[in-house]
Amino acid sequence: QVTLKESGPVLVKPTETLRLTCSVSGFSLSNAAVGVGWLRRPPGKALEWLAHIFSNDETSHSTTLKNRLAISTDTSKSQVILTMTNMDPVDTATYYCARIHLLWFGKLLSGYYFDSWGQGTLVTVSS
Amino acid sequence: SYVLTQPPSVSVAPGQTARLTCGGNKIGDKTVHWYQQRPGQAPALVVYNDNDRPSGIPERFSGSNSGNTATLTISRVEAGDEADFYCQVWDSRSDPSVIIGGGTKLTVL
Repeated sequence: QVTLKESGPVLVKPTETLRLTCSVSGFSLSNAAVGVGWLRRPPGKALEWLAHIFSNDETSHSTTLKNRLAISTDTSKSQVILTMTNMDPVDTATYYCARIHLLWFGKLLSGYYFDSWGQGTLVTVSS
Repeated sequence: SYVLTQPPSVSVAPGQTARLTCGGNKIGDKTVHWYQQRPGQAPALVVYNDNDRPSGIPERFSGSNSGNTATLTISRVEAGDEADFYCQVWDSRSDPSVIIGGGTKLTVL
């Protein structure tokens, strides 16, 4: 059974750095067929993609948040870590990690979808 | 950058059919995935690869994709279907390549 669970602080102050951990089970982060992504949903707003990482350590980040985001894996611990610097109240949101199912056209990556999700963790940014 | 357009809201009576659209330039040339997010819950995949259903998703949920519009159709709508729905594609010409629509709130009257 595939499970993902987010953990981290529920409250951070403006300008602080957020560190979130996604602990996974039921699959290996070394599996070339999957990856892990982070998304968030601010209250009353739409779902927003933040970043992803694949088993070959290839990463991608939201262009609007690129300079603030970092994503990494600790394969030995089956964890994916997201850090976001310089937090602001507008970053208040529920943050989700999700497993990525990769799609291939021959040897070319042609897309992916999120086939399993964590329950999410609400992060509030306030002084 | 590629843009996906979803109507903010759709309302339907129980037992009727809901059609949720996702518009994009030549979206029919892309592969569309759909997610349902019920209030207070995490999103869940309901349709992938335009019209495939993950195990556990009722046959009432189906997808189609052609031209400039992809559609998620929910037949015999139930009260428990009320949720926000998001479409998602991959556009290799965009950075990032993952594109998510703005979401549609489905209200069951």
